[in-house]
Amino acid sequence: QKEVEQNSGPLSVPEGAIASLNCTYSDRGSQSFFWYRQYSGKSPELIMFIYSNGDKEDGRFTAQLNKASQYVSLLIRDSQPSDSATYLCAADSGGGADGLTFGKGTHLIIQP
Amino acid sequence: IAGITQAPTSQILAAGRRMTLRCTQDMRHNAMYWYRQDLGLGLRLIHYSNTAGTTGKGEVPDGYSVSRANTDDFPLTLASAVPSQTSVYFCARRGRAFFGQGTRLTVV
Repeated sequence: QKEVEQNSGPLSVPEGAIASLNCTYSDRGSQSFFWYRQYSGKSPELIMFIYSNGDKEDGRFTAQLNKASQYVSLLIRDSQPSDSATYLCAADSGGGADGLTFGKGTHLIIQP
Repeated sequence: IAGITQAPTSQILAAGRRMTLRCTQDMRHNAMYWYRQDLGLGLRLIHYSNTAGTTGKGEVPDGYSVSRANTDDFPLTLASAVPSQTSVYFCARRGRAFFGQGTRLTVV
């Protein structure tokens, strides 16, 4: 069974610091990986995706992928109170049939 | 703005009643999905459809059915609602899983 694991948190980070969110996945066939941010009562919104090993940067966000270790991470630099949310990691095995497999999410709190 | 529209946004439903959650997209994407989200359990796939006329079962399909008569509409039906189906339901499209705004369903 495909699984994506995340620490549920809460993860508390001071404003301005780097928030580091981690995720592991069980399916070695997973080809692409996604990070979603979800505010309470809202739908998830995509903030980053990554396909290749290494780092991918977009503004204050950096996604990191290590397929050998089956590990994905998201770094948020210069954390802001507006970054406080639940972050969902998801893996896509491709093939068209299965949709994404989601982790249960990490609750991030940025302390002003 | 292109996207996915779900209706209703919230609903209180008596147990045993039939309910259809509507999902409409205006992006003409082939693959569509229904997820439910529950506290402590995360997002779980209920059913999916890769193209009009085809559907498939996800992780938690029991008690739900879907249809895909055309590309744009992907309704989810609860034939006889039970309290364990109380959840937030999201319709989404493939790939980067663009989500609708969700339907909060309470079965009493």
